[in-house]
Amino acid sequence: DGGITQSPKYLFRKEGQNVTLSCEQNLNHDAMYWYRQDPGQGLRLIYYSQIVNDFQKGDIAEGYSVSREKKESFPLTVTSAQKNPTAFYLCASGGPGQGSTGELFFGEGSRLTVL
Amino acid sequence: SQKIEQNSEALNIQEGKTATLTCNYTNYSPAYLQWYRQDPGRGPVFLLLIRENEKEKRKERLKVTFDTTLKQSLFHITASQPADSATYLCAPRAGGGSSNTGKLIFGQGTTLQVKP
Repeated sequence: DGGITQSPKYLFRKEGQNVTLSCEQNLNHDAMYWYRQDPGQGLRLIYYSQIVNDFQKGDIAEGYSVSREKKESFPLTVTSAQKNPTAFYLCASGGPGQGSTGELFFGEGSRLTVL
Repeated sequence: SQKIEQNSEALNIQEGKTATLTCNYTNYSPAYLQWYRQDPGRGPVFLLLIRENEKEKRKERLKVTFDTTLKQSLFHITASQPADSATYLCAPRAGGGSSNTGKLIFGQGTTLQVKP
C-alpha cells in the first residue's frame, strides 16, 4: 500500500544524546515535511524539502538537522542542542508540484521523550 | 508575519446539531485553504480544499466557505455525530507551481466534542 511510514513510534532519549527519526514515503511525492506538536498545541514546522538534495528551515529549526539524499526518505535528527525535545513529531509528504493542490499525507508520528 | 487563528477553546455540541469552526488569517493571500482532521495520537488527515474563487465547497456532511475579503474560512459539520469528535486544523496555501510543495503552516486547531 502507498503511504508514509515513520519510525520508531516511541523513542526515549537521555539528555545530551542525538536521535534520528525515520520518515519514508512511497507516494512519489516531491515534497516532505517535519512538524513538531506539543500537548494541546498545533503543528510547528521544523524543516521541509521540495526536492532531493535541498531543504529549507521552518519556524523552529534550531537544534534539528535533516537530509534529503533520496526522494523517498527525509530523516530528522534531534540534536543535543535542542533544549526541549520531548514532543510528538510528524512527517508529511505532498506534491507532485504544479497542478497539485498540495494536500499533505502524514505519517502516524514519533513520540520522543527525554529522560 | 503570517498568522492563522482558530478558536483555541474546545467546541462542545449535541449530536445532530451543526458544528461551525472558524479559521482567520492575516498577512496571507492564499490561493486556497485546506482543512484537516486530527485524532489524538495520530497524524492529521486531509478533508477538504477550497479555492479562492470558490465561495463554498461541500463533501457529504462537510461544508467549507472561503471569504477572501474577511480573510476567513468557516468549516461546518451538519448532523454531527460523536465520531466527528476530533481536532480540526486549517492551512492556507499559496497556489501554483512550486508553491504547492513549499512551506505550509497550520492553525493551532479547534477541538470538537460531539455529545450523544
